[in-house]
Amino acid sequence: GAGVSQSPSNKVTEKGKDVELRCDPISGHTALYWYRQSLGQGLEFLIYFQGNSAPDKSGLPSDRFSAERTGGSVSTLTIQRTQQEDSAVYLCASSLGLAGATTNYGYTFGSGTRLTVV
Amino acid sequence: GQQLNQSPQSMFIQEGEDVSMNCTSSSIFNTWLWYKQDPGEGPVLLIALYKAGELTSNGRLTAQFGITRKDSFLNISASIPSDVGIYFCAGFTGANSKLTFGKGITLSVRP
Repeated sequence: GAGVSQSPSNKVTEKGKDVELRCDPISGHTALYWYRQSLGQGLEFLIYFQGNSAPDKSGLPSDRFSAERTGGSVSTLTIQRTQQEDSAVYLCASSLGLAGATTNYGYTFGSGTRLTVV
Repeated sequence: GQQLNQSPQSMFIQEGEDVSMNCTSSSIFNTWLWYKQDPGEGPVLLIALYKAGELTSNGRLTAQFGITRKDSFLNISASIPSDVGIYFCAGFTGANSKLTFGKGITLSVRP
């Protein structure tokens, strides 16, 4: 598509339930990133996918968080046994991110999924 | 790790005024980017800078890549109400590195 698409745009869930957040990156973008933005805070890096390489999971806050990227395109971020502190906006971004490239490309962000855990 | 420092956290200006935002680091970056985030949206790229000393304009926005490669600034001239939002600086330290973001500055514009 023309931009990065995220769904749902809003999600309210009960504490303890699992949630799945979806990201459709820009067609042809090999790199995909997930960030978390809590109210009034900056962007917290969660996970990074680059082509067929093993993902960089260094930002995942706990083992309740996981992400997959199928076929090098769509990605799903899963949060198991949600807690109230998981409430935040989850942003996905993609970029050309060509491995070995000498030019760094900026990221294009989706509009995010606002997750509220009650 | 690399950190980008943006301060203050919030800025309040009058419509029509110019405003300057600075971003600094103790590490060298080879690419600097400035993003703006409107309420309820994801950040949108405003300006990208690729060479030390580079000065780039985009309408009322001007940004510069510092000579030391450890800082950048963004100027907004003749501010208007729609300039309200969060402004993030971001940078790459090298090829294939992840983008590092500052914590952002929330800009308010009084009509």
